[in-house]
Amino acid sequence: AQSVTQLDSHVSVSEGTPVLLRCNYSSSYSPSLFWYVQHPNKGLQLLLKYTSAATLVKGINGFEAEFKKSETSFHLTKPSAHMSDAAEYFCVVSLQNNAGNMLTFGGGTRLMVKP
Amino acid sequence: GAVVSQHPSWVICKSGTSVKIECRSLDFQATTMFWYRQFPKQSLMLMATSNEGSKATYEQGVEKDKFLINHASLTLSTLTVTSAHPEDSSFYICSARVGRGYTFGSGTRLTVV
Repeated sequence: AQSVTQLDSHVSVSEGTPVLLRCNYSSSYSPSLFWYVQHPNKGLQLLLKYTSAATLVKGINGFEAEFKKSETSFHLTKPSAHMSDAAEYFCVVSLQNNAGNMLTFGGGTRLMVKP
Repeated sequence: GAVVSQHPSWVICKSGTSVKIECRSLDFQATTMFWYRQFPKQSLMLMATSNEGSKATYEQGVEKDKFLINHASLTLSTLTVTSAHPEDSSFYICSARVGRGYTFGSGTRLTVV
């Protein structure tokens, strides 16, 4: 079984300050990990993904995430928040096995950016 | 919490046949439903957005005549893959907006043989 926990349902930061969105996962196998962003009334957009290559993954819009196996974490960070970063963020675990594809979504974190 | 029930979880069909995937919102009304597909080891790709009582909005490159989306009620949205071919084999998942957040179905693995 696999699970994903996004530790904060809401995060509020000031524009120009760092962003940290936390994600912990559990999986019996080596999963692929994704971060998606969803702006209001829009579909999911891929920010970045980890697929067993480099543990530090750089994504779009200045976001990056570090895969830490010992901590079973895949936290999303950005050095300086922008107003346009305000959105819902999802951490997703994807596992391919003989039974097919399994996707497990975290509960989502709403990022608010204050001017 | 709000739950979207997606069925079937997996389906195998013959090439040329049609397959219907259902997503039901169990304890809320889903005015907007997103439909995604995912190829192995790839990211989710938005196919279309459906709004109850109106035509779905398809993303560029998605054939609306092949992937028929119906959102006739506030609790049911369906995706029909018409005249399926092996290249349509994929993982399909729906997502509904709930208040200011979102909830996801459990996904459907379609294999066309």
